[in-house]
This record gives sequence, C-alpha cells and structure tokens, in this order.
Amino acid sequence: QVQLQESGPGLVKPSQTLSLTCTVSGGSISSGSYYWSWIRQPAGKGLEWIGRIYTSGSTNYNPSLKSRVTISVDTSKNQFSLKLSSVTAADTAVYYCAREDRYSYGLIGYWGQGTLVTVSS
Amino acid sequence: QSALTQPASVSGSPGQSITISCTGTSSDVGGYNYVSWYQQHPGKAPKLMIYEVSNRPSGVSNRFSGSKSGNTASLTISGLQAEDEADYYCSSYTSSSTLEVFGGGTKLTVL
Repeated sequence: QVQLQESGPGLVKPSQTLSLTCTVSGGSISSGSYYWSWIRQPAGKGLEWIGRIYTSGSTNYNPSLKSRVTISVDTSKNQFSLKLSSVTAADTAVYYCAREDRYSYGLIGYWGQGTLVTVSS
Repeated sequence: QSALTQPASVSGSPGQSITISCTGTSSDVGGYNYVSWYQQHPGKAPKLMIYEVSNRPSGVSNRFSGSKSGNTASLTISGLQAEDEADYYCSSYTSSSTLEVFGGGTKLTVL
C-alpha cells in the first residue's frame, strides 16, 4: 500500500521560503507511471494544484505560482520536495503531496494526510 | 475564483439520490474526458471517487456515478447514507497552462 507523508515547518515568516518534503513508502518514486504532485487548501476553501514532477525531473507548475515554486525529486531517498519563496499570509494552507497517474490526468489516487503551514511573523 | 463551477451546497435525505454539477468550458470539462471527483471529510485528505468522467476506482461504492454533457460534468450519489456527508470536488485537465483545475467544492448534507 502506497503511503505519502509530508514533513516540514508548520510556521514560516512572511517573505521567507516554505519548504516541505514528501516521503513515499510502499512504492518507488522512480516508477514511470506517476507524477508526484503538490496541492494546497486554505482553511475553509477549495483545492489548488501547485505543480508536479516526474521521476526524470521534468516539472509543471501552476502559472499563478510558477515564479515562486520549485519542485524537486530525490529518488535515492524516495522523496520529493516543494519550495515556495516570498510567502505571504495568502500562502497559509494545508499542503498535500499526492501521486497522480501519468496516463490519466487528474487521477490522484494517493494523498498524504496534509500538513498545515501558517505564514506569520 | 475557481476555474470550475460547483454549487456551494446540496442536501438530501437518506436513501435519496443527489447530483452535483461541475461546469467548465470547452478548454477543460467539455474538451477532455479527464474529469475526476473527490470526497473530503473534515480534517481528512481528499479521496478519489470517480476518474475519467465515469470510472470508479476499486473499493468505491457503485452508489457513486459520474457523467458528462457538454461543458458540465455530474456526480450522482444514489441511496444516500449518513457517511456520504462531506465536501465534494471536481477536477479536470485543462488545455491552459494551468494543466489541472479544481472546482470550488460542494458541501453535501445528509438530512
């Protein structure tokens, strides 16, 4: 059974960089069949797709965040990571890592439990 | 504002059927058969209920079904049960540079 687990600071100061890591267990992140994605959800609001990475390192980002987002992968640790720079209070949200089927867009079959990141001084 | 439009709330009594709509454009819902539906209980991660418009993942009850007509996709839940009370989100592939968009979510209340 594939499991994903987010980790990282729960509090980030404004203008700093948010950094999260997702550890994948029960399956290899090097599998060619999946994208590894980040999605966020502000409190009481809907889901926002942030971006995704393929095992090769190729990435796709939401244009609204592209200038501030970097997603990377470490296949040796079976992990992928999110960095979001110059954060503001608007970036406060629960951040989910997820596995998306490469051959069926939007088929996100596995999600992490989510981690709350608060942007505040 | 979300790219896909869903009603904010729907409700139904146990045993009844309800339908949640998800309206987009020809650049997303109407143009591709990559519509998914997710169920989210409070404090939990979303759970995939429908993919590719009408396919159910293994383990999802056949009370859940999906369809699409033009630029609008729909999720129907039949034989409503108390455990179905949750938020439901649609998503779609989009030809825009965003690649993937979600609806704003619909809160289902089982009366």
